[in-house]
Amino acid sequence: DAMVIQNPRYQVTQFGKPVTLSCSQTLNHNVMYWYQQKSSQAPKLLFHYYDKDFNNEADTPDNFQSRRPNTSFCFLDIRSPGLGDAAMYLCATSRDIQGVSTFGSGTRLTVV
Amino acid sequence: GESVGLHLPTLSVQEGDNSIINCAYSNSASDYFIWYKQESGKGPQFIIDIRSNMDKRQGQRVTVLLNKTVKHLSLQIAATQPGDSAVYFCADDQGGSEKLVFGKGTKLTVNP
Repeated sequence: DAMVIQNPRYQVTQFGKPVTLSCSQTLNHNVMYWYQQKSSQAPKLLFHYYDKDFNNEADTPDNFQSRRPNTSFCFLDIRSPGLGDAAMYLCATSRDIQGVSTFGSGTRLTVV
Repeated sequence: GESVGLHLPTLSVQEGDNSIINCAYSNSASDYFIWYKQESGKGPQFIIDIRSNMDKRQGQRVTVLLNKTVKHLSLQIAATQPGDSAVYFCADDQGGSEKLVFGKGTKLTVNP
């Protein structure tokens, strides 16, 4: 089935140690999004790619970076994770602007 | 949608009852709205969408109502089942932007 796949499901990283979360899609969608979701809160958009065009949200910390080497893959890099970065990270795709976003199952990040 | 506060509103219903979940949005230029269902430990799942040129749309057991005058969106679930227990989020396009912004979310609990 076409889908959005996030790996790993659970990631534990040390305070300050760089970590990369990955997302892949078989939907061939143009747009890929990264959201951060903390407990009992709504998903918060960090950034998105429309094809190769990167769009950063104004309040996304510089500590968060993203790469999209091709249509299928998108990575979230956290350069120096802090305790406050512990959250569920959700990847989503949509065919185009104003399209329905399909979400992956998320990666739950723990910072120790 | 507005994403404020740390405590999710909750709604508890009996199995078989109808459920109504409400959402307020802030941007009068918002043109596209989606309801998502998020079960524990999973990514949001699309339920139903509606564009601003409509005020009602029906799916299977679900109906979305849009009141642009008061910037209010509601999701009605008919004959609620235990499997409907989840957190429900509304999201909107913030006036035709490339992104979806999520509302606060409501936790629905269906009692057997």
